[in-house]
Formats: sequence, C-alpha cells, structure tokens
Amino acid sequence: DVKVTQSSRYLVKRTGEKVFLECVQDMDHENMFWYRQDPGLGLRLIYFSYDVKMKEKGDIPEGYSVSREKKERFSLILESASTNQTSMYLCASSGKRDRGLAVFSRTDTQYFGPGTRLTVL
Amino acid sequence: SQKIEQNSEALNIQEGKTATLTCNYTNYSPAYLQWYRQDPGRGPVFLLLIRENEKEKRKERLKVTFDTTLKQSLFHITASQPADSATYLCAPSDSNYQLIWGAGTKLIIKP
Repeated sequence: DVKVTQSSRYLVKRTGEKVFLECVQDMDHENMFWYRQDPGLGLRLIYFSYDVKMKEKGDIPEGYSVSREKKERFSLILESASTNQTSMYLCASSGKRDRGLAVFSRTDTQYFGPGTRLTVL
Repeated sequence: SQKIEQNSEALNIQEGKTATLTCNYTNYSPAYLQWYRQDPGRGPVFLLLIRENEKEKRKERLKVTFDTTLKQSLFHITASQPADSATYLCAPSDSNYQLIWGAGTKLIIKP
C-alpha cells in the first residue's frame, strides 16, 4: 500500500525560528512535491524534486528551501518563519518519469501525506 | 495565466441523488485532468483521471466528463451517500504535465 508520511501533524513555532518539515515515501517514486493549502485557495506548489539532489521552484518558493539527499525523503525548510507562513503543508510523491521525455509522465497521479498544520506565532 | 474555477460554495445534496461538481479552466488546454477527494485534516486522495481524447470515464458510482470545447470537466457521484461528503479537487495538467489545482468544492450529502 502506497504511503507518504510527514514528520508532524501539528506544529507551533515562533516568528524567526527555523522550521523543518520532513516527508518520507515508501513507493520508490522519483518525483516529490511540497504544497501549501490555504482556505479558498487551491494547492500552491512551493518546490518539487524529480531526482535526488535536484530541486525546482514552484509558484511560491520565497521564504522556503528544500533538500533531497535520499530518494525517499524530501525536506521543506522555513529559514525564518513568519506569521504569513501559517498554513497546511502537504507533501506528495508521484511515479516514474518517462525517460528522455518530459520530467513528468502524462498519467502521474500524486500520493499525499496527511499534512502538517503549521502555526507561526 | 492559467486559471481553474470550482464552485466555491458548498453543494448540499440529498442522499440517493446524483451530485454534480463543475471544474472550468481558462487560458490553456490540459492534456489530462484528475479529480481528488480531500477529507478534513487529510491529504487529497486520487479518484479518477481523464485524458483529453476521452469524453467520459467511469469508476463504480463516479463519472467524469471532459469537454475540451467548453473547457470544462464535470464530476458526478450517483446514488450519493453521507460518506461521500468531502471536498473534491479538480487538477488539470499544464503544458509540462504538472498539475494545477482548483480550490475545491465542498460536498455535503444529507441523510
């Protein structure tokens, strides 16, 4: 059974703190994603990675960084947390990419973790 | 820019009836479109995928249509049950086959 886990379900941090969110998948997927989800807005992509040590900016990378040292693990780092980063953070992974073609295959579906609700005070 | 629109208001349906959710997209032509279900406090779960050359896809009580002329997908749940209550997210692909997410429609099935 496909499984994506995230390090915390709930997290409360103070402004200026460095925050680490971790995501682990056990499906040998090549692609991993970090999203944030806010009421009334769709999932917004922060960063994604299509291979170990590779990363690409998404739509809203400012204030975030990521790390992918191992295929199964993708970390999101808030260098200096701010109140506007209070949100639900969702990690996802998806399958194999078409070799020699686009990064993502046409039919990749994404498997999500349970989410981390982060509050920055 | 690419835009995805789903009904922002909750949809209330009587148990046993068919629920129909709408997803409209503008300014691009997705190669495929996916629908996900999200329960409160959980991550989305994949339900169905439909390709641009498919008009309709079915899975048990679920049906998805894809009208590339209208730039719209409809998601139907027949014989709806209270357990179907959730938020449903539409996610068409962009030109790089990455998903672009709608904000979702909350569906409430009343017993």
